[in-house]
Amino acid sequence: ETGVTQTPRHLVMGMTNKKSLKCEQHLGHNAMYWYKQSAKKPLELMFVYNFKEQTENNSVPSRFSPECPNSSHLFLHLHTLQPEDSALYLCASSQPGQGPEQYFGPGTRLTVT
Amino acid sequence: ILNVEQSPQSLHVQEGDSTNFTCSFPSSNFYALHWYRWETAKSPEALFVMTLNGDEKKKGRISATLNTKEGYSYLYIKGSQPEDSATYLCASLNTGNQFYFGTGTSLTVIP
Repeated sequence: ETGVTQTPRHLVMGMTNKKSLKCEQHLGHNAMYWYKQSAKKPLELMFVYNFKEQTENNSVPSRFSPECPNSSHLFLHLHTLQPEDSALYLCASSQPGQGPEQYFGPGTRLTVT
Repeated sequence: ILNVEQSPQSLHVQEGDSTNFTCSFPSSNFYALHWYRWETAKSPEALFVMTLNGDEKKKGRISATLNTKEGYSYLYIKGSQPEDSATYLCASLNTGNQFYFGTGTSLTVIP
């Protein structure tokens, strides 16, 4: 099993749709992250969960709603998105504590039409 | 420096050449510097985590150095091979446990 998996790998959705991105990690980590990468921009941290509790929300619009039912799974629920939300969404996991390396999934390429 | 900056944005080198690129980061409240290698359509892969001023890490032909006082890190690749072609990302972690990524350096090694 690969360490961090994400589904779907590609998603096209209309602005009125509701969809969810899924992330699963098989590394026994207790911290999980959502990142957004837009073209020509650095990775932007969106949400952090430690031991299933959300510990960071970097001023992300409410049309993005995370859910962490357990330490192995992380979801990003999407509704009424805008075309500018089109980007690569990456999930990562790590062991809590400062300085740990993060293990990334391959990302979901989202296009909002 | 307020943000993490990487240079150059992209470069092309011939197979066998050695190369290096730079990551600049805020030196205040610094805790750790991470380097990642990101191949197209794959997951970013951690290369190094460095915390101490003067740290040097090495993995095969790739090595990195860290200067926390002036806020920079260098990544070196010796004898570049086509399989080294990727985007190299650095990320700075501060004492507030916040990660800031650079935009990456895209390396293409020409056979």
